[in-house]
Amino acid sequence: DAGITQSPRHKVTETGTPVTLRCHQTENHRYMYWYRQDPGHGLRLIHYSYGVKDTDKGEVSDGYSVSRSKTEDFLLTLESATSSQTSVYFCAISEAIRDRLNYGYTFGSGTRLTVV
Amino acid sequence: GESVGLHLPTLSVQEGDNSIINCAYSNSASDYFIWYKQESGKGPQFIIDIRSNMDKRQGQRVTVLLNKTVKHLSLQIAATQPGDSAVYFCAVSGYSTLTFGKGTMLLVSP
Repeated sequence: DAGITQSPRHKVTETGTPVTLRCHQTENHRYMYWYRQDPGHGLRLIHYSYGVKDTDKGEVSDGYSVSRSKTEDFLLTLESATSSQTSVYFCAISEAIRDRLNYGYTFGSGTRLTVV
Repeated sequence: GESVGLHLPTLSVQEGDNSIINCAYSNSASDYFIWYKQESGKGPQFIIDIRSNMDKRQGQRVTVLLNKTVKHLSLQIAATQPGDSAVYFCAVSGYSTLTFGKGTMLLVSP
């Protein structure tokens, strides 16, 4: 999807195990985002990054951490997965000028995570 | 923070009809609005956007209307086709993040 890839596409993991999802972009965009999508809740922001090593929390950040050591990669980690974190996770990229979005996000294809 | 609502879970139309999907937002400082389409098993795809200095914007078969007075926007799809069947989300931006509505599933029957 327009230079943004997520891996893995599907993952099943056990409760209590750590899980890392990867988002990779080739667009050199400064802004990267992690959202989760659940029935009845829509898309909710977990964390986002506005540059290398610059990140901020979204509305559902508890239980998640992120890292961005390179412009092209944004990692989402579930330190100890719980069943409530079963969801579809989307990464997105964008650009902004003076913190105002230039245009809408471009989304990846998603990662379906099941915690059993 | 921003909230985005007026959630109509499902809209069923006949092929060839015009479809209208609505969205409301809460923050009068929001200045950028986007509609996305999501097909099953895929990520959301950009359809059309509008900034707060405009009331209307048209694309190919789609029109977005923005009423800042009542904080409402709508997506109109002309001559709806079976390929338009998907979930449609509005998204609202104040700064560098988007807040999404819960989505409306558009079902198009032949």
